[in-house]
Amino acid sequence: DVKVTQSSRYLVKRTGEKVFLECVQDMDHENMFWYRQDPGLGLRLIYFSYDVKMKEKGDIPEGYSVSREKKERFSLILESASTNQTSMYLCASSTLQGTEAFFGQGTRLTVV
Amino acid sequence: ILNVEQSPQSLHVQEGDSTNFTCSFPSSNFYALHWYRWETAKSPEALFVMTLNGDEKKKGRISATLNTKEGYSYLYIKGSQPEDSATYLCAPDGSARQLTFGSGTQLTVLP
Repeated sequence: DVKVTQSSRYLVKRTGEKVFLECVQDMDHENMFWYRQDPGLGLRLIYFSYDVKMKEKGDIPEGYSVSREKKERFSLILESASTNQTSMYLCASSTLQGTEAFFGQGTRLTVV
Repeated sequence: ILNVEQSPQSLHVQEGDSTNFTCSFPSSNFYALHWYRWETAKSPEALFVMTLNGDEKKKGRISATLNTKEGYSYLYIKGSQPEDSATYLCAPDGSARQLTFGSGTQLTVLP
């Protein structure tokens, strides 16, 4: 079974904290994606990566950074968490462009 | 930002009804069009990935068509069942490699 695993299902952090969301895939996929999901707004792409150490901005990168030091791991970093970053975060991976993406179970982050 | 529009935003149908939704996307720099089903408390799962103009794919009672020249895709569900209740998302895959999703169509099938 293919697996995309996100490190936490639920997370509560304080405003100003540095937050790391980790995503690991075991399928040797080249592409990895981070999305956030908010009611009425669907899935919005934050960052994606198509190779180790490569990263590209998505539609809403402000306030976020990413790291991909190894092929299987893609980390989303909130440098200084703010309440407007309270959201559901989803990680996904795919092998090549034009192939289906597999999603993790999501991390519900609350910033207080 | 890639402009992906899905309609309708939400839909309620009776069990046994057939239904369809639309996904509109920019026709330039097209590579593939993805459809996903997202059930509550689960992760999105792929239904179809289509690449060719005129492509038609089917999985059980669900099928999809693709028109890359005019930039739209239709998803059809024949004889809807309560277990079809979910949000259906489409995502065009363009030359920039990013996978940008529409806001989805939320389907509720009433028994």
